[in-house]
Amino acid sequence: QKEVEQDPGPLSVPEGAIVSLNCTYSNSAFQYFMWYRQYSRKGPELLMYTYSSGNKEDGRFTAQVDKSSKYISLFIRDSQPSDSATYLCAMRVWPGNTPLVFGKGTRLSVIA
Amino acid sequence: EAQVTQNPRYLITVTGKKLTVTCSQNMNHEYMSWYRQDPGLGLRQIYYSMNVEVTDKGDVPEGYKVSRKEKRNFPLILESPSPNQTSLYFCASSPRQVLPNEQYFGPGTRLTVT
Repeated sequence: QKEVEQDPGPLSVPEGAIVSLNCTYSNSAFQYFMWYRQYSRKGPELLMYTYSSGNKEDGRFTAQVDKSSKYISLFIRDSQPSDSATYLCAMRVWPGNTPLVFGKGTRLSVIA
Repeated sequence: EAQVTQNPRYLITVTGKKLTVTCSQNMNHEYMSWYRQDPGLGLRQIYYSMNVEVTDKGDVPEGYKVSRKEKRNFPLILESPSPNQTSLYFCASSPRQVLPNEQYFGPGTRLTVT
């Protein structure tokens, strides 16, 4: 079983839809959870991060962590064509020097 | 402008011909890392460096070498490239391992080995 599982999609939604992106993980020692966005032909950029459990909101984006279920989510409200990208979840044990473990990424297309 | 730069951006080479992909960051970050990204496999870490002269293997280090002689530079060396090293490579850097530990990624190097 992979440490981090993420559905690769592709996911296609109409503009204005609410998008839900998810990852599951198996390592209960993961404490630090991130979402990266990667536009085509670009490097990933950090979108949001959360430490341990709970929700975090930033504009149209909400990150949720459910450690009891080993499940994290990223919600995008009022999705825009500019949100079309690949979204990668990433997580790591904290504290410590272990590297980030990435999901494979979900490709999202928002259609105008 | 704070950034991570990689060169070259695109490279086509032949099996066995040694090559180096350079990576440089201007943010005085201590931590640097190399990843490869392949369809269906996602991002996988090749090597990382916690500081100057300190490097360690990631998940897929076979066939690669790195060095960290200066804080800003972290070159990736393929001594004898093979076709299975055809991939998209990213260099990343981040400050010392404190939260949020955001990694800043370079623009990527697309390598084709024939």
